[in-house]
Amino acid sequence: GENVEQHPSTLSVQEGDSAVIKCTYSDSASNYFPWYKQELGKGPQLIIDIRSNVGEKKDQRIAVTLNKTAKHFSLHITETQPEDSAVYFCAASRGGTSYGKLTFGQGTILTVHP
Amino acid sequence: DAGVIQSPRHEVTEMGQEVTLRCKPISGHNSLFWYRQTMMRGLELLIYFNNNVPIDDSGMPEDRFSAKMPNASFSTLKIQPSEPRDSAVYFCASSLQVGTDGNTIYFGEGSWLTVV
Repeated sequence: GENVEQHPSTLSVQEGDSAVIKCTYSDSASNYFPWYKQELGKGPQLIIDIRSNVGEKKDQRIAVTLNKTAKHFSLHITETQPEDSAVYFCAASRGGTSYGKLTFGQGTILTVHP
Repeated sequence: DAGVIQSPRHEVTEMGQEVTLRCKPISGHNSLFWYRQTMMRGLELLIYFNNNVPIDDSGMPEDRFSAKMPNASFSTLKIQPSEPRDSAVYFCASSLQVGTDGNTIYFGEGSWLTVV
């Protein structure tokens, strides 16, 4: 089955700095890669996703890049703000009828210091 | 939109008791997922339904776990008998599957289960 590795497990940055979280996956058939943000006591919330026919996607301060050859994808957050502090998860699935069968990374605890 | 609604939000039960977790997906969504989150294993898919039919239950840990979706607006996850190792946060999620590609998966707030 799919295995998703996520690094780093914790990340501490100053407000205004950039944050980068990286994930690798093992299943070459995976083609859907969402990123979720989870705040304390809440469920994961999708912040951005990318599909295998796209190499990069950006939404305001958040961007995701995908390298299918190397089987890795990354989340980039620019101009970080204290409210970006949360746990971030990457995930992967095969898409199609299995798009919801997500395999999650272990999570990254991001702390943005004012 | 009210989002995915789960109940109970918190449950503490004794080992051996039956536990039933409930979920109301977002209206109009045709796919429903049950995930479990623990410190040791992270987030893992237990089962998912499409149009009320279970499609993949390979993540269900053992026979003590069962899930049903009697209609498009309600699903249950039952654990009988419960064991301390079942303590976790159980998330229900739903999505509108369009064609053969997916759409955003929306998670509920979770049911925090503690088995003592």
